[in-house]
Amino acid sequence: DVKVTQSSRYLVKRTGEKVFLECVQDMDHENMFWYRQDPGLGLRLIYFSYDVKMKEKGDIPEGYSVSREKKERFSLILESASTNQTSMYLCASRGAWRTYSYEQYFGPGTRLTVT
Amino acid sequence: KNQVEQSPQSLIILEGKNCTLQCNYTVSPFSNLRWYKQDTGRGPVSLTIMTFSENTKSNRRYTATLDADTKQSSLHITASQLSDSASYICVVSAWMDSSYKLIFGSGTRLLVRP
Repeated sequence: DVKVTQSSRYLVKRTGEKVFLECVQDMDHENMFWYRQDPGLGLRLIYFSYDVKMKEKGDIPEGYSVSREKKERFSLILESASTNQTSMYLCASRGAWRTYSYEQYFGPGTRLTVT
Repeated sequence: KNQVEQSPQSLIILEGKNCTLQCNYTVSPFSNLRWYKQDTGRGPVSLTIMTFSENTKSNRRYTATLDADTKQSSLHITASQLSDSASYICVVSAWMDSSYKLIFGSGTRLLVRP
């Protein structure tokens, strides 16, 4: 079974703090993603990475950065947390296009509250 | 604009009853359509995935249909159980701007009552 794990289930941070969210997958997937999920808005893509040290902006990258130093690990960084970044953050991973279903697997999520 | 719209936003049914959730999309060009189940406080888990050539797919008590001509999909849940209480998310994927993109609906929140 594919496993995508996230470092924290719940996190409370203060405005202005630097926040690191970690994600690890164990299926040797090339592609990894960070989303945020807010009520009524669905999942929105923040950043994704298709290879080590590679990163691409998603739909809402402002206020975030990412790091992918190893294939299995993808980190989301909030350089200076703000209250409007309070949200559920979901990490996902996906194999290469050659796999038929091109299935995307999600982690359990991190609920971040910025006060 | 590429969009995925789901209805209803929320639904309450009694245990043992059937229900149908709807998904309309305007995404083009279409690659495939997935339904995910998301329990409260958890990440989404895939239920079904369909390409444009498939018009129905079942996974236990879940049956998804797809009409690529009208750009509509539905998820039918048979003999609902309390554990079916969750959000159900419709996701359409397409190749756009040389990359593979997923467009998410905002979900239908289902509550099954005893």
